Formats: sequence, structure tokens, C-alpha cells
Amino acid sequence: DADVTQTPRNRITKTGKRIMLECSQTKGHDRMYWYRQDPGLGLRLIYYSFDVKDINKGEISDGYSVSRQAQAKFSLSLESAIPNQTALYFCATSDSSGGYLQPQHFGDGTRLSIL
Amino acid sequence: EDQVTQSPEALRLQEGESSSLNCSYTVSGLRGLFWYRQDPGKGPEFLFTLYSAGEEKEKERLKATLTKKESFLHITAPKPEDSATYLCAVPGHGGSQGNLIFGKGTKLSVKP
Repeated sequence: DADVTQTPRNRITKTGKRIMLECSQTKGHDRMYWYRQDPGLGLRLIYYSFDVKDINKGEISDGYSVSRQAQAKFSLSLESAIPNQTALYFCATSDSSGGYLQPQHFGDGTRLSIL
Repeated sequence: EDQVTQSPEALRLQEGESSSLNCSYTVSGLRGLFWYRQDPGKGPEFLFTLYSAGEEKEKERLKATLTKKESFLHITAPKPEDSATYLCAVPGHGGSQGNLIFGKGTKLSVKP
């Protein structure tokens, strides 16, 4: 089983709909992240959470919200989806206990299309 | 503004033809650099962490090096299975580990 699991893997929906993308991890990491990836723009950080009570905005948080339901679960919501939110979304985790500069580990992504 | 630039955008090699990918960055006070590999339909897979200028890391046919201004990913005698997009990333200003800045990647194709 994957260490970082994202659901759904693919989603097609309509403008104005509320969407939730979910991420769960079995790595035991305390830090979790949401990114989007667009052709020509690379990976950009949406939100990150250093523990259950700590949520931080990333570079492109407008139009998104998150919830850290438990150490292992971090969900991303689009309250009213718009077409320019069509992208590939990745969840990642990292471990703060290993010291400075720990790598992030990624799930396999959710491909989201908004019509 | 902190930036990470990767070159070339795409690279086609014949099997066995060695080459290098470049990652240059403009961040104040570099605190390390990561290299990732991304296959189509998959999330980025961690390859290396480089902590300071002069450091080198190796894994199979890959060797990553770091200077004060750039990093190189050297690929020696590549095989078709090395075909992927290679990403580099650095911590952004402020040192928060939540603030990784990624380059746009180099798409490597290795033909048999």
C-alpha cells in the first residue's frame, strides 16, 4: 500500500460545485502539504500544516481551504470550483523529527477537471 | 524574489550518452536543495538532499552536486528507464520547511 494516499485519483466536475480532495498517510509524519501542478508553471504550494493545530497558507491559497482532521489526514476543499482550478493536485508529507531539511514525500496525485 | 530555474526544459539522449541537468537558484542564504524524479501519472519521488556547497550525492547512474549558485544532476550512461522529469527544489525565504520552491523541471528522454 502507498504511504501517501490521495482520493479520488481523478475527478471531473462543474463550475460552482464544492469539491473535497483527501489525503491520508501511514508514514507517521507530522507535516503535510497540498500542491497544485500546472503545465509550464511547476509545483506550487497551496497550504501546509506542521501539526493538527497548525495550518498555514502557501503561495496560492485563494479559492481553497483545508482541514487537518488528524495527524494522518489532510483534506483540501474547493468551495466553489472554477475552471482555472483545473490541475493536478498533490499531497505531501515530511517528518520534523529527523532534524533540519527533511524531504517531502508525495502521493500520486488527483487529476481535477472543472468544466 | 526567490526563484529556481532548471535547464534545459527537455533533453533527449541516446542510451549510454552521459549528460547533465542544471538547477540554478536565487534565494538569500541557501539552506539546502532537493532533487526529485517524476514519472508520468505519479507524484515526485525523492532522490537527494544536498545541504551545502561542495556536497555530492550518488545513486546508481545519478550524481548530484551543489555550488553556491547552482546544482547539477549528472547522468552517466543513462538507460531508457531513466526517462522522467527531474525536479529540483529549495527552501524559500524565511527558512520554513513548508515553503519549498520548485523548478519547472527537465524532461529527460533516453532512447534505446
